Amino acid sequence: NAGVTQTPKFQVLKTGQSMTLQCAQDMNHNSMYWYRQDPGMGLRLIYYSASEGTTDKGEVPNGYNVSRLNKREFSLRLESAAPSQTSVYFCASNPPVAGGGETQYFGPGTRLLVL
Amino acid sequence: QKEVEQNSGPLSVPEGAIASLNCTYSDRGSQSFFWYRQYSGKSPELIMFIYSNGDKEDGRFTAQLNKASQYVSLLIRDSQPSDSATYLCAVSLSGGYNKLIFGAGTRLAVHP
Repeated sequence: NAGVTQTPKFQVLKTGQSMTLQCAQDMNHNSMYWYRQDPGMGLRLIYYSASEGTTDKGEVPNGYNVSRLNKREFSLRLESAAPSQTSVYFCASNPPVAGGGETQYFGPGTRLLVL
Repeated sequence: QKEVEQNSGPLSVPEGAIASLNCTYSDRGSQSFFWYRQYSGKSPELIMFIYSNGDKEDGRFTAQLNKASQYVSLLIRDSQPSDSATYLCAVSLSGGYNKLIFGAGTRLAVHP
């Protein structure tokens, strides 16, 4: 049981390049999330998916797109990377149980540097 | 704009002392409250969650919730150097969207 996995661990991009961050969970969780974390700031929600086939914007969605490929996988795409997107990206998931369903489990993160 | 506020620290305590971490939130409808620990360069890991007013204890950790004051705290008894990390407070958004709002975190340093 690997939990939440993310690839790649680290990536360097040039301004304008595109890339996709991959996330997968093997816990049979319905909900999945993408966050970014910048120095001195908390985790900020980019996009989330309450269940397979649905996605919705979070607090900071501009410049990103997502795909919930199936129940296990939730990818984040940067179409044209900008230096402001330099950050650490975390994927998370949580089970569908009410009264504890919001407990989120995080992947190891992807460090992205945009030059 | 719904917010979660934490003192950024660093909070420095001697080994064996009690560390007290505080958090306030703005969404009066929030029902669920979480404390995550994050070591440098690592991902957040859940320490505790609390839903009801009062105290909840788990080993050396005690979470305290006061919904009237919109205040959550985490006490760490018998602090150890291994407790040195950033502690993130997270609050669920009202409206049943299953989303969390995170504070920026308090950095705790436990010195021998």
